[in-house]
Amino acid sequence: QVLLVQSGAELKKPGASVKVSCKASGYTFTGYAIHWVRQAPGQRLEWMAWISGGNGNTKNSQKFQGRVTITRDTSASTAYMELSSLSPEDTAVYYCARDGGSYYGSGSLLNYWGQGTLVTVSS
Amino acid sequence: QSALTQPASVSGSPGQSITISCTGTSSDVGSYNLVSWYQQYPGKAPKVMIYEVNKRPSGVPNRFSGSKSDNTASLTISGLQAEDEADYYCYSYVGSSTWVFGGGTKLTVL
Repeated sequence: QVLLVQSGAELKKPGASVKVSCKASGYTFTGYAIHWVRQAPGQRLEWMAWISGGNGNTKNSQKFQGRVTITRDTSASTAYMELSSLSPEDTAVYYCARDGGSYYGSGSLLNYWGQGTLVTVSS
Repeated sequence: QSALTQPASVSGSPGQSITISCTGTSSDVGSYNLVSWYQQYPGKAPKVMIYEVNKRPSGVPNRFSGSKSDNTASLTISGLQAEDEADYYCYSYVGSSTWVFGGGTKLTVL
C-alpha cells in the first residue's frame, strides 16, 4: 500500500533552518509529484510547494520565495522540504502529500498524505 | 495569492443537505476545472473528498458532490451524518504551477 512517512518533530530557534523528510513506499516514486502543505495551530491549510515526479522540477508559493527548498533522492524514494530563516510564525504541522499521477491537473488529487511533522520555532 | 473565500462555519441536522461555497476569481477558480475539497478531522491529515470539481475518489460516499459556477465552487453533502462533522477546505490551481487552499469551513452536525 502507498505510504508516506515523515521525519519526527523538530524544535528550532528563530533564524535557523529545518529540513523535513518524506519517505515514500508502495508505488513508483518518480511517477507522482509530492506537494508540501503546512498548518499552523488552529489555522487553515497552506500550500507551500511541490516537486514533480518525472524531472524533479519544483515550484513554490510566492509567500515562501527564497526560503523554501524542495529536493528529492530518487534512490531513497524520499522528498525533502527545507525552510530557512525560521520565525515563530513558522510553527506548524508540515505535511507531504502525493498527487494523482503524471497528467494535467493531477495536483488536484492529493490522495495520500504523510502523518505530519510538527515544527516548533521558539527561543 | 490570497486564500480562497469560504464561510467560516455551516451547520445542519442529520439527514439534511448542506452546501459549502468556495469563491475565487476569474484567474483561479474561474479559469480551471481543478478545484478539490478536503475533509480534515482535528489532529489528522486531510482527506480528499472531491477533485477536478466533481470527481469522487473511490471510497468516498456519493453523498458528497462538487460543482462550479463561474468563480465559485461548491461542495454539497446530502443526507448529513454525524461523522461528517469536520473542517472542509477547498483547493484550486491558480496558474504558474501553483495552488491555493481556501480559508476552511467548520461543519457542525446539530
